[in-house]
Amino acid sequence: RKEVEQDPGPFNVPEGATVAFNCTYSNSASQSFFWYRQDCRKEPKLLMSVYSSGNEDGRFTAQLNRASQYISLLIRDSKLSDSATYLCVVNVANFGNEKLTFGTGTRLTIIP
Amino acid sequence: EPEVTQTPSHQVTQMGQEVILRCVPISNHLYFYWYRQILGQKVEFLVSFYNNEISEKSEIFDDQFSVERPDGSNFTLKIRSTKLEDSAMYFCASAPTGPSEAFFGQGTRLTVV
Repeated sequence: RKEVEQDPGPFNVPEGATVAFNCTYSNSASQSFFWYRQDCRKEPKLLMSVYSSGNEDGRFTAQLNRASQYISLLIRDSKLSDSATYLCVVNVANFGNEKLTFGTGTRLTIIP
Repeated sequence: EPEVTQTPSHQVTQMGQEVILRCVPISNHLYFYWYRQILGQKVEFLVSFYNNEISEKSEIFDDQFSVERPDGSNFTLKIRSTKLEDSAMYFCASAPTGPSEAFFGQGTRLTVV
């Protein structure tokens, strides 16, 4: 089983629509969780951290379900500038050493 | 805003040659990382570096690879005897206290021909 699994998409949605991404992770020792955004041939950039209580940043809402090992991202009122690949990322600790483990990413294209 | 800087942005090298990818982390950061991303694939962890030594490395990071912090500011990744399959984007990242706060550089695109 992949450490971090995402639907690769692509998701093609009209501007203004709401889109949801899901992600599952396999390592129950995972400590912290993130959504990153990656534009074509650019570096990953942190979009938001994900907490069990859920967190919201403007049009973006992230949610973590530790029991199901499931992470979600909701984008409301999508904009053309939201077109990117969204990476589900998990911080896994191994004998005190931490590293980020990335999913393959979900490609999103917002259509005018 | 402080940023992680990587040079060069693009490196083309012949198979079998050695390359050094350079990174200048954010100045007060203590943790340093290299990741790579083969075109069309996921970002993969290579190595983490703290207190002037490797703290963890992946299976990818074999004897062909080495890292160094030669002068307290630069953080380099050396790839010896490059292979075609080493072609990828290589991202450097630094963090003050751990990967949860990592900042990524813009990457070096390595093309092995």
